[in-house]
Amino acid sequence: GQNIDQPTEMTATEGAIVQINCTYQTSGFNGLFWYQQHAGEAPTFLSYNVLDGLEEKGRFSSFLSRSKGYSYLLLKELQMKDSASYLCAVSGAGSYQLTFGKGTKLSVIP
Amino acid sequence: DAGITQSPRYKITETGRQVTLMCHQTWSHSYMFWYRQDLGHGLRLIYYSAAADITDKGEVPDGYVVSRSKTENFPLTLESATRSQTSVYFCASSRLAGGADTQYFGPGTRLTVL
Repeated sequence: GQNIDQPTEMTATEGAIVQINCTYQTSGFNGLFWYQQHAGEAPTFLSYNVLDGLEEKGRFSSFLSRSKGYSYLLLKELQMKDSASYLCAVSGAGSYQLTFGKGTKLSVIP
Repeated sequence: DAGITQSPRYKITETGRQVTLMCHQTWSHSYMFWYRQDLGHGLRLIYYSAAADITDKGEVPDGYVVSRSKTENFPLTLESATRSQTSVYFCASSRLAGGADTQYFGPGTRLTVL
């Protein structure tokens, strides 16, 4: 089975940097995804990590440590529109499926 | 470029009725998925399909039936709706297996069972 943990809620200030952590235990590992979901909308893809290290994409970066079962999503220069839930999802080896964490609701305040 | 669509977007039904939620994608993706999203549980996989006529159970399949006669369509049927099936349902598709490729989500169907 797979178990994924991430904080339920976080609050950060506009213009600041925030790090959202995700820890996981899986039977095998294929890759880790981060999705963004605004209230009332569908999840949209942010990043995909399969190897250890940092993947940078504009204001968003994602880090993976396979040996520690740990990932984080780093959001820089926060904007009000970044207020959303951020979902961590993991795929086990040989699996067709993604297992999602419960999501972290980020509120960006002025 | 329609992408992935779901219908209806909102549905209210009564306990015991049969309900079918539709999902259609225009990318010719092989893999399609049905999730439900509830407060406190996150996204949970109901069923998935690797190709036409190939389907398999996910984490929470009880009370649901799927079919996939055409690559582009993946309907989800609640045979006899229960209040516990009140949820937001998302369909998703991916070119490769779910663990190796991005899943693209439809806009969701908000289902209320009275």
